[in-house]
Amino acid sequence: DAGITQSPRHKVTETGTPVTLRCHQTENHRYMYWYRQDPGHGLRLIHYSYGVKDTDKGEVSDGYSVSRSKTEDFLLTLESATSSQTSVYFCAISPGLGNYEQYFGPGTRLTVT
Amino acid sequence: KQEVTQIPAALSVPEGENLVLNCSFTDSAIYNLQWFRQDPGKGLTSLLLIQSSQREQTSGRLNASLDKSSGRSTLYIAASQPGDSATYLCAVRGSGGSNYKLTFGKGTLLTVNP
Repeated sequence: DAGITQSPRHKVTETGTPVTLRCHQTENHRYMYWYRQDPGHGLRLIHYSYGVKDTDKGEVSDGYSVSRSKTEDFLLTLESATSSQTSVYFCAISPGLGNYEQYFGPGTRLTVT
Repeated sequence: KQEVTQIPAALSVPEGENLVLNCSFTDSAIYNLQWFRQDPGKGLTSLLLIQSSQREQTSGRLNASLDKSSGRSTLYIAASQPGDSATYLCAVRGSGGSNYKLTFGKGTLLTVNP
């Protein structure tokens, strides 16, 4: 399995509080991605990174921000959590340089009450 | 906008049966197509990746085919086992300016009965 960890694995938070999810990889892959998975919607891309300090928006980026200050870490921040952000969040990585196969982390289950 | 559809949404088969899962996509301008497996409460495991120039890929009992012009892919599972029970997802990567993005289908929930 690709070396990807996510923390925390489970979190319950209240509406309006900030939340940061962390994705850590040991593969030195160039690309990193954040997805959310919801019943009826499947997996949707939130943000992605194509290098240190290089990030861009996906299809459901409103209410989320990201940062990547090191190759191995990609942070997803919910500035002010809402109940609609209750979901399972997955991080993924891919090597780049023509190899775009994606490898996924174990996921973080976030509940906003 | 790329849309990916997987049929059927759920499938139940007896152990030992060969089966086919279907994936269709609306925009044939793809870079590659990837099949994943997801066990309940777990992340996605990559099974097979087919480049747009390829017709099929094989790994063990799994064979994935790609017909880009018709916007279709199939995942063939031979001699199914109870351990194959999971949700199977297909995803396509766009070409050109959208080649960072994977668009996922909603998956086929497979149950293999002993």
